Amino acid sequence: EDQVTQSPEALRLQEGESSSLNCSYTVSGLRGLFWYRQDPGKGPEFLFTLYSAGEEKEKERLKATLTKKESFLHITAPKPEDSATYLCAVQRQGGSEKLVFGKGTKLTVNP
Amino acid sequence: GAGVSQSPSNKVTEKGKDVELRCDPISGHTALYWYRQSLGQGLEFLIYFQGNSAPDKSGLPSDRFSAERTGGSVSTLTIQRTQQEDSAVYLCASSFVGQQETQYFGPGTRLLVL
Repeated sequence: EDQVTQSPEALRLQEGESSSLNCSYTVSGLRGLFWYRQDPGKGPEFLFTLYSAGEEKEKERLKATLTKKESFLHITAPKPEDSATYLCAVQRQGGSEKLVFGKGTKLTVNP
Repeated sequence: GAGVSQSPSNKVTEKGKDVELRCDPISGHTALYWYRQSLGQGLEFLIYFQGNSAPDKSGLPSDRFSAERTGGSVSTLTIQRTQQEDSAVYLCASSFVGQQETQYFGPGTRLLVL
């Protein structure tokens, strides 16, 4: 069974304090690993898709990386507006189109 | 352009009543998905439509849950004889069909069963 585990569950940072969120996964054939951001009361907002080990993608202060077992979302010099829950999901090769999500990491960035 | 829209935004119902939740996908997206997000839980897949057919409905939790899609566009998720454990946020997503296509989510419908 496909499984996604995110850690930590919650993370508090000071503005400017860089850190990383972890997403560990088990899937029989990875088609893609997705990162989303979710603000309270809203639907998930797409950030990145990673397809193969060694791949990296960047957007503003965020950088996502992928290995064969896990993905990291690195946040460099975060700002209060980066506060949100970050969700990781995997999609299996040759299977249903569905995404299997982790429970998310709630990030709070204090000014 | 317009994103995925869902209605109603919020729904409060009494235990035992039926509810219908609606999703309007992004124009041109042929794939549509329903997920459920319960308090403290991750997003849980319910059903996937390709056009008007549902190749994967494995996530529907019981036969009280059903969904349909008409005209390859709007989808309705129906929950019959609602129970308190059905209280959750129901999220809809849509995408193009093909390899490695991104799913874009709507704002969700918050369902509370009293």
